[in-house]
Amino acid sequence: GAGVSQSPSNKVTEKGKDVELRCDPISGHTALYWYRQRLGQGLEFLIYFQGNSAPDKSGLPSDRFSAERTGESVSTLTIQRTQQEDSAVYLCASSLYLSTSGGTDTQYFGPGTRLTVL
Amino acid sequence: DAKTTQPPSMDCAEGRAANLPCNHSTISGNEYVYWYRQIHSQGPQYIIHGLKNNETNEMASLIITEDRKSSTLILPHATLRDTAVYYCIVRVHRAGGTSYGKLTFGQGTILTVHP
Repeated sequence: GAGVSQSPSNKVTEKGKDVELRCDPISGHTALYWYRQRLGQGLEFLIYFQGNSAPDKSGLPSDRFSAERTGESVSTLTIQRTQQEDSAVYLCASSLYLSTSGGTDTQYFGPGTRLTVL
Repeated sequence: DAKTTQPPSMDCAEGRAANLPCNHSTISGNEYVYWYRQIHSQGPQYIIHGLKNNETNEMASLIITEDRKSSTLILPHATLRDTAVYYCIVRVHRAGGTSYGKLTFGQGTILTVHP
């Protein structure tokens, strides 16, 4: 079946503008994750959704970053007043469920959105 | 989640087995070992995971030592397309058996497969 999809694949914006990044998880996956990867660096966790709720927002770097999820499906990551340090690849992942005892929770990643702030 | 240690880089000849080690000496009894890889300019790709038994799938094998303090990912016949950064991640299971939340990626091992 279809994997995680993200749009746009590339986004170039000017400093100070707002941007919205979209993630379409695998159908039926209840958990959704956003990560950021700066050039040459590892992945940084941003936020996690279970259904439409976000029990863990601990990785959002500032109040300029926000995310929402609707219909237990699509998620949007919004960055307001973008700064040059926001330039990165933003990756979305989804997983099937919160695992119960003995189970696991494998995350499947999308191709990412490459954001460049000029 | 327990910390993992991996060598920064490794080389492998095409067609040979690639054996990627990972140390996780502080692993807890209910933590799984996951492996992902990231090919240049792509999102991370799930490879395999295990708790204490050795595991095998169509991509790789995972060998976990009896004391669970280290593991080895084996790509049995490496190809040029296996050149990537390989991440070993230890994932906690919360009290009550639920597991959720972020994956913590380290720096991984850059595997270069050469002709």
